[in-house]
Amino acid sequence: ETGVTQTPRHLVMGMTNKKSLKCEQHLGHNAMYWYKQSAKKPLELMFVYNFKEQTENNSVPSRFSPECPNSSHLFLHLHTLQPEDSALYLCASSQETSSGNTGELFFGEGSRLTVL
Amino acid sequence: AQKITQTQPGMFVQEKEAVTLDCTYDTSDPSYGLFWYKQPSSGEMIFLIYQGSYDQQNATEGRYSLNFQKARKSANLVISASQLGDSAMYFCAMRGNTGTASKLTFGTGTRLQVTL
Repeated sequence: ETGVTQTPRHLVMGMTNKKSLKCEQHLGHNAMYWYKQSAKKPLELMFVYNFKEQTENNSVPSRFSPECPNSSHLFLHLHTLQPEDSALYLCASSQETSSGNTGELFFGEGSRLTVL
Repeated sequence: AQKITQTQPGMFVQEKEAVTLDCTYDTSDPSYGLFWYKQPSSGEMIFLIYQGSYDQQNATEGRYSLNFQKARKSANLVISASQLGDSAMYFCAMRGNTGTASKLTFGTGTRLQVTL
């Protein structure tokens, strides 16, 4: 069983809807990530949170709004999305230390989003 | 900038045979890490193996080994004694020495199908 859980697993929404994706990690990690996986494209890093502070926003449109209330939870709020935003959204976590580590990311199973 | 190239969109291998999945990379960072992940149809990205750029020996993890050729900038994954459960997408990824958090750059993946 994965240490990173994502809900919902599947979501269908219209372009005018507002919905949220939720991610929870049970690994005691201090960094969390949102990745977007579209068909036939490499995974795209969207947001990074380190110790609850956003350290990376990879030029993501404002219709995607992340929230990290604590080091175990990460949300992705969605509003006025476009059909091209349909993709698998993957959450991940890692334990970052000043002395360095392998940087291994632990992923959830993803939320499959379809925008009509 | 970092780039990962996986030139094999799909591969077939017979059960119990070995298979090599290709990965080449490009980076200007003097220190970096290379990862392989497996993504079954469930969607979860599963960490398989890690190779640090200064590691003297090729990484091995059970049936997985990484054929690291630094001068050629290649990090091929070798799966020995393939099993039906190995059928999945396989992604090569790189982490550069870019500060906080484990920001990974992924390739487009290779779909491996293990046949009887």
